[in-house]
Amino acid sequence: GAGVSQSPSNKVTEKGKDVELRCDPISGHTALYWYRQSLGQGLEFLIYFQGNSAPDKSGLPSDRFSAERTGGSVSTLTIQRTQQEDSAVYLCASSLDGGRETQYFGPGTRLLVL
Amino acid sequence: SQKIEQNSEALNIQEGKTATLTCNYTNYSPAYLQWYRQDPGRGPVFLLLIRENEKEKRKERLKVTFDTTLKQSLFHITASQPADSATYLCALNRGSTLGRLYFGRGTQLTVWP
Repeated sequence: GAGVSQSPSNKVTEKGKDVELRCDPISGHTALYWYRQSLGQGLEFLIYFQGNSAPDKSGLPSDRFSAERTGGSVSTLTIQRTQQEDSAVYLCASSLDGGRETQYFGPGTRLLVL
Repeated sequence: SQKIEQNSEALNIQEGKTATLTCNYTNYSPAYLQWYRQDPGRGPVFLLLIRENEKEKRKERLKVTFDTTLKQSLFHITASQPADSATYLCALNRGSTLGRLYFGRGTQLTVWP
């Protein structure tokens, strides 16, 4: 079946602009995660959605970052007033549920803030 | 502070040899530990999961060990092949929370013919 998809695959923006990144999880997966991977760094957790529960936002680096998940499926990560340090690969993952440990990752969105 | 360290940023070995990658952690009590493979320009791909009450797990040419006393996991690839060249990531959860994973920076493995 189809894996996790993300769009756009690449995004170049100017400092101060807002960007929206999209994630389509695997159908039927109730848990969805966003991570960020900066050059030479490990994956940094951003936010976690599980079913209808309140999301775990503890990894969001600032209030410029927000995410939502509509209808328990597609998720959008929004970065407002982008800064150069936001440049990174943003990875989305999904799992069958929050208790099923294997996470399936999308290809990522490469964000470059000029 | 909580840390996950993978033994080296890069590991180069000859085809046919066994590659051994190390993951050490501090200040975690993980319920499980996972290994992922990441190729350039792609997202991580799950390889193996080992639980806190398991000592060893195998899958084809892959073997993972987990020592909660040493706070260490070893990841072995036997009879390595050039196609095994990739970055390997160690990830674990915190025992108190499910879902979110904490990742090491990864070890870049190169297998040369």
